[in-house]
Amino acid sequence: SQQGEEDPQALSIQEGENATMNCSYKTSINNLQWYRQNSGRGLVHLILIRSNEREKHSGRLRVTLDTSKKSSSLLITASRAADTASYFCATDRNQFYFGTGTSLTVIP
Amino acid sequence: NAGVTQTPKFQVLKTGQSMTLQCAQDMNHNSMYWYRQDPGMGLRLIYYSASEGTTDKGEVPNGYNVSRLNKREFSLRLESAAPSQTSVYFCASNNRGGDEKLFFGSGTQLSVL
Repeated sequence: SQQGEEDPQALSIQEGENATMNCSYKTSINNLQWYRQNSGRGLVHLILIRSNEREKHSGRLRVTLDTSKKSSSLLITASRAADTASYFCATDRNQFYFGTGTSLTVIP
Repeated sequence: NAGVTQTPKFQVLKTGQSMTLQCAQDMNHNSMYWYRQDPGMGLRLIYYSASEGTTDKGEVPNGYNVSRLNKREFSLRLESAAPSQTSVYFCASNNRGGDEKLFFGSGTQLSVL
């Protein structure tokens, strides 16, 4: 499979805590993107980080990319119940390859 | 803006039946994609169209055909449905060479009995 792998598969935290999820991939990439999927809905783009970038911020989101380790992490700070969703990384190598996702539950 | 519109939202087929999933985008995107999502498998690319008039196979193309009818529309056809094609299907589009981010439709839940 050319998919990435997210870790952990499931994560449960209290509202206000930070959530960290990781993505590993196998080959060189042009960029890496993170998406969110609420239950029964389509995916929504969160953030893109290019292969020559190491860190990027967007609101409460922080993404890092380590191309030497072929890994990325997504940090959501001060989590809210509305952040409950599945999160996917997608690696861009001419086509987009998605990971298997991390299911995040934020408990109010 | 409607974004990416998929029809139908739900479909039940019997083994061997055929059907076409429709997708249209109104964002003037050059590239369009069809994915399937299965539990524990993430999203897998079935076919994509980098530009109007071109289509290419993705990871799991067997059993499917596609048509890029024009710049807006990209359809996915199941000629003879099989139970293994039970899945949720998503259409997506983006501006390749632009900001790259994918926009997704709301999905089609397909069951093949």
